[in-house]
Amino acid sequence: GQQVMQIPQYQHVQEGEDFTTYCNSSTTLSNIQWYKQRPGGHPVFLIQLVKSGEVKKQKRLTFQFGEAKKNSSLHITATQTTDVGTYFCAALFGNEKLTFGTGTRLTIIP
Amino acid sequence: DADVTQTPRNRITKTGKRIMLECSQTKGHDRMYWYRQDPGLGLRLIYYSFDVKDINKGEISDGYSVSRQAQAKFSLSLESAIPNQTALYFCATSSGHRAGYTFGSGTRLTVV
Repeated sequence: GQQVMQIPQYQHVQEGEDFTTYCNSSTTLSNIQWYKQRPGGHPVFLIQLVKSGEVKKQKRLTFQFGEAKKNSSLHITATQTTDVGTYFCAALFGNEKLTFGTGTRLTIIP
Repeated sequence: DADVTQTPRNRITKTGKRIMLECSQTKGHDRMYWYRQDPGLGLRLIYYSFDVKDINKGEISDGYSVSRQAQAKFSLSLESAIPNQTALYFCATSSGHRAGYTFGSGTRLTVV
C-alpha cells in the first residue's frame, strides 16, 4: 500500500537547539500536509505544500517539499518548550484521502 | 463550542459489547473521517464519507461500522468490542481533498 515513512520516531533536544523531521515516499505525492499534536491533544493542521521544491515558513518553522515531490521536511529553529509534541506529515497520493506518517515526538530539555 | 465534537471523551467497555462513538461538526463540511491512533503507528483511517450518501472503507475497517446520519454527524460503531480495539479515536472533517483536516478532541476507548 501507499506509505509515508517519517523519521526519527523520537527526538530529544536542548531548548534552543534546532529540530528536523523528515517524511519520505517511494511514489510521487500530490501534496503533503503537516500537523502538530500536543501531549494529550488532537492533531492540528499547520500547513500544506503542493508545488515541487516549495518552501514555506511560519515564524521559526520551515517546511520544504522535495523537487521530486517524494519527500518533505519540517525544521524548527531554536526550539522552545512550546514546541513540544508530535509532528505528523500526511500525504495525498492522488486519491482523495490523506495517509499519515507515524509521527516524530519532540521533547525539549530545558 | 468546538468545530468538531466527539462523545464520549473516555469510555471503558467490556469485550463483546457494542459501542458507538459520536462525532458532530459545525464547519459545514461534506467530508468526514474516522481515524484510530495507536502509539508508534500514527493515525490510521477506519472509514470516511464524502457526503451523506457516501461511505467508504479505510485501511482498517474490519470490526467497525459507520453511519452518516446528516452532513454534520458521523458515528462509528464497534459491534462487538475486543481488547485490541483499545485506542484513541479521532473524527475529522475537511472541505476538500486538498484542504487541511480539522480534528475533534478524540475518544479514548479501553476494552477490557
